[in-house]
Amino acid sequence: RKEVEQDPGPFNVPEGATVAFNCTYSNSASQSFFWYRQDCRKEPKLLMSVYSSGNEDGRFTAQLNRASQYISLLIRDSKLSDSATYLCVVKRNTGNQFYFGTGTSLTVIP
Amino acid sequence: DAGITQSPRYKITETGRQVTLMCHQTWSHSYMFWYRQDLGHGLRLIYYSAAADITDKGEVPDGYVVSRSKTENFPLTLESATRSQTSVYFCASSDPISGVGAGGELFFGEGSRLTVL
Repeated sequence: RKEVEQDPGPFNVPEGATVAFNCTYSNSASQSFFWYRQDCRKEPKLLMSVYSSGNEDGRFTAQLNRASQYISLLIRDSKLSDSATYLCVVKRNTGNQFYFGTGTSLTVIP
Repeated sequence: DAGITQSPRYKITETGRQVTLMCHQTWSHSYMFWYRQDLGHGLRLIYYSAAADITDKGEVPDGYVVSRSKTENFPLTLESATRSQTSVYFCASSDPISGVGAGGELFFGEGSRLTVL
């Protein structure tokens, strides 16, 4: 079983729509959680960390459910510029090891 | 500029040649990583380093060699390049304790796109 699993999509949504991405992780020892954004042929960049209490950054909301080993990312009022691949990343603090989902592709359509 | 830089950004080589990809970071992060990214596989860890002179294998280390004589540099060498090593290579750094990225996140270089003919 993969450490981190994501629905690869693609998600094609109209501008202004709300879209949600989900991610599950297999190892309960995972301690830190992140969403990264990767534009075509570029490096992944941190979108937001995910905290146990949930956190919001503008139009983006991240949630963590440790009991179900589940992470989500909600994007409200989608913009054309949100088109990218979103990577779910899980980290075990022991050894500072990162585990990546394969990414979910989002295209926002005018 | 501060950050993490990779060179070369693009490289075309032939089967059997040795290739070295360079990675340099200015944050003094303790951890550095090399990943390769291929369609259908996502990011796969090749090697990582917890500190100078400490390196360890990742998921796909075969055919690669790394060294880390200084904290800021982490070169990746393909000793005898094969076509299956055609890929995009990302170097990354992290410091779980302090400094830039004290939240423990990973910072990536811009990538090195390698084609082996």
